[in-house]
Amino acid sequence: DVKVTQSSRYLVKRTGEKVFLECVQDMDHENMFWYRQDPGLGLRLIYFSYDVKMKEKGDIPEGYSVSREKKERFSLILESASTNQTSMYLCASSTWGGLAGSGELFFGEGSRLTVL
Amino acid sequence: AQSVTQLDSQVPVFEEAPVELRCNYSSSVSVYLFWYVQYPNQGLQLLLKYLSGSTLVKGINGFEAEFNKSQTSFHLRKPSVHISDTAEYFCAVIPYNQGGKLIFGQGTELSVKP
Repeated sequence: DVKVTQSSRYLVKRTGEKVFLECVQDMDHENMFWYRQDPGLGLRLIYFSYDVKMKEKGDIPEGYSVSREKKERFSLILESASTNQTSMYLCASSTWGGLAGSGELFFGEGSRLTVL
Repeated sequence: AQSVTQLDSQVPVFEEAPVELRCNYSSSVSVYLFWYVQYPNQGLQLLLKYLSGSTLVKGINGFEAEFNKSQTSFHLRKPSVHISDTAEYFCAVIPYNQGGKLIFGQGTELSVKP
């Protein structure tokens, strides 16, 4: 069974702390994504990666960075957390191109971050 | 630029009633289309997808959707809903030229009442 695993379901951090959100997929997918989800705003893309060590900004990259050192792992980093980054963060992976590459996203369970 | 519009933010229905969740998209190129469901405090899971072929696609849990190219719509339907269908539903598209990057609608909250 395909699986995307996010390291923490719930986190509480203080303003100014550095926060790491980890995501691992076991499907050998090339593409990985980080979204944030807020009521009334839907899913907004923060960053995505098409390959190891490659990253591209999504729609709302400010205040975030990412790291992809291995194909299966994609980390989201909040260098200095702020209260407006309190949100649900969703990681996803996909493959694109070829018969199996419809781009269907496989999601993790989400990480709910509260910044105090 | 491509966009996806879900026309209803909330849809309340009674159990065993039919439901339709509406989705329209805008794109200058061909797209793949998806519906995802999110149950409370969980990630999203795929309900169904349209890649090519028959415009009526069937998904899990008795849901189906019809792709209408001329109206650029992909509405989701179920003839009889259950309490367990209460969830948030997201329509999404991948334009062929976007390298696999999905564009999501804002979501529709389906609330099924007994």
